[in-house]
Amino acid sequence: DGGITQSPKYLFRKEGQNVTLSCEQNLNHDAMYWYRQDPGQGLRLIYYSQIVNDFQKGDIAEGYSVSREKKESFPLTVTSAQKNPTAFYLCASSRTGSLNEKLFFGSGTQLSVL
Amino acid sequence: AQSVTQLGSHVSVSEGALVLLRCNYSSSVPPYLFWYVQYPNQGLQLLLKYTSAATLVKGINGFEAEFKKSETSFHLTKPSAHMSDAAEYFCAVSDHNQGGKLIFGQGTELSVKP
Repeated sequence: DGGITQSPKYLFRKEGQNVTLSCEQNLNHDAMYWYRQDPGQGLRLIYYSQIVNDFQKGDIAEGYSVSREKKESFPLTVTSAQKNPTAFYLCASSRTGSLNEKLFFGSGTQLSVL
Repeated sequence: AQSVTQLGSHVSVSEGALVLLRCNYSSSVPPYLFWYVQYPNQGLQLLLKYTSAATLVKGINGFEAEFKKSETSFHLTKPSAHMSDAAEYFCAVSDHNQGGKLIFGQGTELSVKP
């Protein structure tokens, strides 16, 4: 079945540690996105990529980094500079990134700080 | 910049009652509008979208929404609630100024009482 796979489902970060969240899609979509979800705040865009080897900052990119070396993969690194990383992280993709396209979401990664 | 406001962070209805989830948007140009649903610990799924065709949009699971330009609204309705409709619902608007990314509302949690 085609879809988006996020791993791990739960992740714990120690003080000063970088952690990487995986996102893989087999939908052959060009565009991929990372959102952060906090209770009562909806989803906020961290980074997005509309083509391989290119990505742009979203609204809350500070303390995060991404790469897009392959079309099917868009990993997110939460760096030690992100002082409040506890949240639910959602990866999404769309066919071309056009305005009227549906987003397909993964099932999310819950990141917590030890 | 475009924005979305969902009125009411929690809505509770009885099984069989009308569901009405409110969404207002601000946009200087005709927007694309979406409703997504999120079940616990999962990603989001598209319920329906408005892309400037018919103003009354029918979606999955018996939901529909009406685009009202004069009221800048895109409220979600369902005539008769089922227990399985209990979830969090997000309204979203495409941001023409930022390459087609979605701006999400803060979400409305729907509870359905037996």
